[in-house]
Amino acid sequence: EDQVTQSPEALRLQEGESSSLNCSYTVSGLRGLFWYRQDPGKGPEFLFTLYSAGEEKEKERLKATLTKKESFLHITAPKPEDSATYLCAVRAASGGSYIPTFGRGTSLIVHP
Amino acid sequence: EAGVAQSPRYKIIEKRQSVAFWCNPISGHATLYWYQQILGQGPKLLIQFQNNGVVDDSQLPKDRFSAERLKGVDSTLKIQPAKLEDSAVYLCASSSGQGSEKLFFGSGTQLSVL
Repeated sequence: EDQVTQSPEALRLQEGESSSLNCSYTVSGLRGLFWYRQDPGKGPEFLFTLYSAGEEKEKERLKATLTKKESFLHITAPKPEDSATYLCAVRAASGGSYIPTFGRGTSLIVHP
Repeated sequence: EAGVAQSPRYKIIEKRQSVAFWCNPISGHATLYWYQQILGQGPKLLIQFQNNGVVDDSQLPKDRFSAERLKGVDSTLKIQPAKLEDSAVYLCASSSGQGSEKLFFGSGTQLSVL
């Protein structure tokens, strides 16, 4: 059975304190790993897609990396506005279709 | 560009009642998804449509949940009868195709079953 596991469940940082979130996965036929940001009361918002091991993508203070078994979302010098839940999702081929499966997320709080 | 529209925003019902949620995807998006997100958990896929056909509904509790996407545009998700454990946020998402990268989500419908 495909699995997506995110850690830690929750993370509290001081403003400027860099850290990383982890997403480990066990899927067959991976067709992309996605990172989304979800603010309270809203739907997830797309951040990145990674397709192959070694790939990296950056956006402002966020950098996503991918290996064969896991992905990291690195947050450099975070600000309070980076506080949100970060969701990892994998899309795997299943009987000719592509099913996106989400992890439980990491709740990030950045204190000023 | 208008985003994914969902209604209602909130719904409170008693167990054994029925409820329906509506979703209007981004114009031109062929693929539509319904997810259930229980508090503190990630979204769980209930059903995926490609145009007006069902791609995957393996996790949809078919004894009480139903969904349709007539004419390949709007979609409705229904629960009948509701149980306490159905309390969750129901998210609708759309994408331009099955192979496309991004899912665009609506703000969801928060359902409380008392």
